[in-house]
Amino acid sequence: GENVEQHPSTLSVQEGDSAVIKCTYSDSASNYFPWYKQELGKRPQLIIDIRSNVGEKKDQRIAVTLNKTAKHFSLHITETQPEDSAVYFCAASRGRGSTLGRLYFGRGTQLTVWP
Amino acid sequence: EAGVVQSPRYKIIEKKQPVAFWCNPISGHNTLYWYRQNLGQGPELLIRYENEEAVDDSQLPKDRFSAERLKGVDSTLKIQPAELGDSAVYLCASSLDEYLSYEQYFGPGTRLTVT
Repeated sequence: GENVEQHPSTLSVQEGDSAVIKCTYSDSASNYFPWYKQELGKRPQLIIDIRSNVGEKKDQRIAVTLNKTAKHFSLHITETQPEDSAVYFCAASRGRGSTLGRLYFGRGTQLTVWP
Repeated sequence: EAGVVQSPRYKIIEKKQPVAFWCNPISGHNTLYWYRQNLGQGPELLIRYENEEAVDDSQLPKDRFSAERLKGVDSTLKIQPAELGDSAVYLCASSLDEYLSYEQYFGPGTRLTVT
């Protein structure tokens, strides 16, 4: 099955700085890569996703880049704010069908933004 | 639009006791997922339903875990008997249709503590 590795496990930045979280995956057939934000004691919430037919996607202060050749994708948060503090999870899947549609999650990155 | 609903939110039981979790997905969502999230890790899929059919249950420990989604809406996940290692957060998620939409929306989870 798919193996998703996520780095770093913890990340501390000053408010206003940028934060980058990186993930690698092993299954070259994976074609869907979402990112979830989970605040303490709350549900994971989808913040952005990308499919393999594009290399980059941006939504306000959040962007995701995908390098299919190298099998890695990254989350970029610019102008960080204290409310961005949370655990961020990357995931990968083949997108559809039977066991192929399963989401495989990374272990998470605890992001702390200091005011 | 109401999100995914789960109950109970917290459950403390002694080992060898049974326990059940309930999930009501977002209205109209045909696909339902049960995940287990251990402390400090990403969610791991236990079972996925397309309507009433379990299409991916390869990660469900079938000796003690069971699940059902009788009318293709609500779902129940059961553990009998519970073991200490079952302590985790059990998350339910739903998506519109695996062929139309990849996005999964999570419920708040049930935090299970087995003593």
